[in-house]
Amino acid sequence: EAGVTQSPTHLIKTRGQQATLRCSPISGHTSVYWYQQALGLGLQFLLWYDEGEERNRGNFPPRFSGRQFPNYSSELNVNALELEDSALYLCASSLDLAETYEQYFGPGTRLTVT
Amino acid sequence: DAKTTQPNSMESNEEEPVHLPCNHSTISGTDYIHWYRQLPSQGPEYVIHGLTSNVNNRMASLAIAEDRKSSTLILHRATLRDAAVYYCILRDDKIIFGKGTRLHILP
Repeated sequence: EAGVTQSPTHLIKTRGQQATLRCSPISGHTSVYWYQQALGLGLQFLLWYDEGEERNRGNFPPRFSGRQFPNYSSELNVNALELEDSALYLCASSLDLAETYEQYFGPGTRLTVT
Repeated sequence: DAKTTQPNSMESNEEEPVHLPCNHSTISGTDYIHWYRQLPSQGPEYVIHGLTSNVNNRMASLAIAEDRKSSTLILHRATLRDAAVYYCILRDDKIIFGKGTRLHILP
C-alpha cells in the first residue's frame, strides 16, 4: 500500500511569489493535515481538512491557505512568500477525524525562499 | 489550547529502558495523548496513544498518570535506531506538537 506522497520534493521561490504544495493521502484516508517545520524547530500545525472541509487551522496568517479535493488529495498555498517561510512542509493523513486514529506522514516538501 | 512540556534532550545507554516524560497539566477530559517520533531526515512516525489507561504495543508502553496531567513513554530496551526526537501531543480540535525530546542513545 502506497504511503502519503508529497510533491514537489524541493521548491525554490523568491520573496513575494506564491508556492503550491501537493499531498496525496493513503488510500481510504479522509483527513489531511499540514505542518511546517522550520530548521531546528518542532512541528507547527498549519491546517486540517476532512471530507473536503477545513476542520481547523493553526496560528498562521491568512496567506497560508489550502483545500482538499473530492479524491481527498490536498493542496497548500502560500501567498506573498517571506524569507521565514523557508521550511520543511509535512503532510499527514489519517483514517478520519477521530482523535483515536494515528497520522501517517509524508516525506515533506522543502521550500526555500530567497 | 492544551500544551505539553517535555525535556529538551535525554540520554540513555543502549539496551537499557528509557522513560520519556511529558507534562500536560491543562489536558481536558476528551484529549487523547499521542506520541510520535521523528528520526533524522524523516517525517514523524506514530508510536502510541492513550486516553486514561496504560497502553502497550510492539514499539513502546505509555503510562498515564491517574490525574492525566502527565504521561511517560517507555522504551523497554533502547537501540541505536531509537535515537530520534520524541513528540508528545494532545489531540483535540487542534493538534499541538511541542518541541519534543531529542533522545541520544549511547552504544
